This record gives sequence, structure tokens and C-alpha cells, in this order.
Amino acid sequence: KNQVEQSPQSLIILEGKNCTLQCNYTVSPFSNLRWYKQDTGRGPVSLTIMTFSENTKSNGRYTATLDADTKQSSLHITASQLSDSASYICVVSASFGDKLIFGTGTRLQVFP
Amino acid sequence: EPEVTQTPSHQVTQMGQEVILRCVPISNHLYFYWYRQILGQKVEFLVSFYNNEISEKSEIFDDQFSVERPDGSNFTLKIRSTKLEDSAMYFCASSERRTDANSPLHFGNGTRLTVT
Repeated sequence: KNQVEQSPQSLIILEGKNCTLQCNYTVSPFSNLRWYKQDTGRGPVSLTIMTFSENTKSNGRYTATLDADTKQSSLHITASQLSDSASYICVVSASFGDKLIFGTGTRLQVFP
Repeated sequence: EPEVTQTPSHQVTQMGQEVILRCVPISNHLYFYWYRQILGQKVEFLVSFYNNEISEKSEIFDDQFSVERPDGSNFTLKIRSTKLEDSAMYFCASSERRTDANSPLHFGNGTRLTVT
């Protein structure tokens, strides 16, 4: 069954610190992996998209990595800001399909 | 930056009633989607729509649901005979290409549907 699992479920860090969020997936055949940021009560906003041939992709302070062999991805946030407080969702697309498979997300809280 | 807009932001309806959720996708996008998120749960795919027909749908999207692109700008989700378990946030999304073509999917801010 196609699934996306994330850890930790929630995370609290201090402003200015770095953090790394994890994602494991069992989606096959794999097409691409995305990281989305979702503020409470809002729609998800795309951060990165990676295909199987890409190992890393950055978007400002966000850096995503992908290991297609182990089916793992991570999202690293550098120098966190209060506005980074949100849910971060790992999302995978299978080949020959037109739907996204969402993980349950990591709830990040950044405190001053 | 162009965005997907959804109306209303919040809809309350009684069990058994019909509701229509409305969306205006980004103007040059060709692929349209509905997803839903039950409170505290993950976002789930409902349906994808291209060239005026459904291209893929989930097992959730049964005969109770229908989608339509009535004109060149709107994309609607109709839920007939609503049930309590239909209460959720419904997200519309649009894209230039299919999701397996590595195209970014742009989401609206959702309609929160509450069935009483």
C-alpha cells in the first residue's frame, strides 16, 4: 500500500536554531517527492519538488534531501524564525497517476 | 502572484442537504483537483479533472460527489445528501501539468464544511 510516514510528529525549537524533519515512503512506482508548509487553517504551500535523480534541493532556508534507494527524505530548516511555525508535510507522487499521497506532517513550533 | 481562490471559507449545512463548494483555479492551469482534510488527519485526494472530465478519483469520491467546470474560470465540487462524516476542510488545487510530471500543485485556502 502506498504510504508516507513522517517523524517526529511534533517538534519545538528556539528561534535561530536548525532542525531536520524526516520522511519515509513506500510509494511505487515513484515519480517525485514534495515538501509542503501548511499554516493552521490555510492551504499547503509548496517548498520543494524532487525527482528520483535529485539528491538535494534548496529553497531559501529550506533544504530537502532525497535517497530514492532507501526511500527516505529529510527537510532541513536553517536559522529558524517564528514564522516557520507550521506543519511540514511530505508528499509523494506515483508514476502514471495524477494524485498526491500526503504524510501526516510534522508540527513545528518555534519559540523566541 | 496568481492564486487559487475558494468560496465560501466556511459552510455550515444540515445533514441530508446538498452543498456546492466553489473554486477559481489559476487562469493558465489545465489540471484541477479536490482534496479534503478531516480535522487532525492527513490531506486525502478526492478527484482530478482535465479536459472537462474526471481523470482519476479515489474510493472516497462515490456517487455522492460530483465535479463540474461550468464556465472558463470556475471549478465546483457538489456534495449531495451530506453526512456528518463529510465535515472537513476541502481544498481545491490547480496545476499546469499532471502531478507525475513534477509540476507544482497550487492549493487554495480551503472551505471548512461543517455538517450538523
